[in-house]
Amino acid sequence: GESVGLHLPTLSVQEGDNSIINCAYSNSASDYFIWYKQESGKGPQFIIDIRSNMDKRQGQRVTVLLNKTVKHLSLQIAATQPGDSAVYFCAETYSGGYQKVTFGTGTKLQVIP
Amino acid sequence: DAGVTQSPTHLIKTRGQQVTLRCSPKSGHDTVSWYQQALGQGPQFIFQYYEEEERQRGNFPDRFSGHQFPNYSSELNVNALLLGDSALYLCASSSAPGQEFYEQYFGPGTRLTVT
Repeated sequence: GESVGLHLPTLSVQEGDNSIINCAYSNSASDYFIWYKQESGKGPQFIIDIRSNMDKRQGQRVTVLLNKTVKHLSLQIAATQPGDSAVYFCAETYSGGYQKVTFGTGTKLQVIP
Repeated sequence: DAGVTQSPTHLIKTRGQQVTLRCSPKSGHDTVSWYQQALGQGPQFIFQYYEEEERQRGNFPDRFSGHQFPNYSSELNVNALLLGDSALYLCASSSAPGQEFYEQYFGPGTRLTVT
């Protein structure tokens, strides 16, 4: 399948280790943030979201941290597995009204078996 | 339950031509957004349709237009194609804007190549 990961920053981690993917967002008015995973040849897949009234949210093996002061998001993946290999995008939007979602620059995660 | 479907999967066009891409939203969704994803980049928002009207638009020229039908399916039209329009075009569906929980489901995309 085609690669969506060309020219993107790459994070290589050993299988079983934890991964941390960082993202800076641009709009101070954004109040809703989403992490997506995109595998080669597929559309982005929702992983986890967080609202601006929260600093941390946990899902299954994933945690998102939000620092509004410096407009920074991070995605932590625990016990990284080969199936986690993909390109990860953060996205921001304003939850009121009609939502325009703005994607950040992706990070390619490579899991080393 | 079918997710978001898009057609065609791949398309090759010549500069100056016009193209129409199609999207069927996930069952129960009534809002459709279109994105352009150039190779190696994140998706860029083109526009969003709700109740058969364009509700939000990104920084794309008027050559990009769309339509939403009463069954919530949508079309993206691009006129006077340029080489730079070559990209993966993604459709995403969601429930009505302003809902408490907002989650977009993406289709697999249509790969457009302009030669």
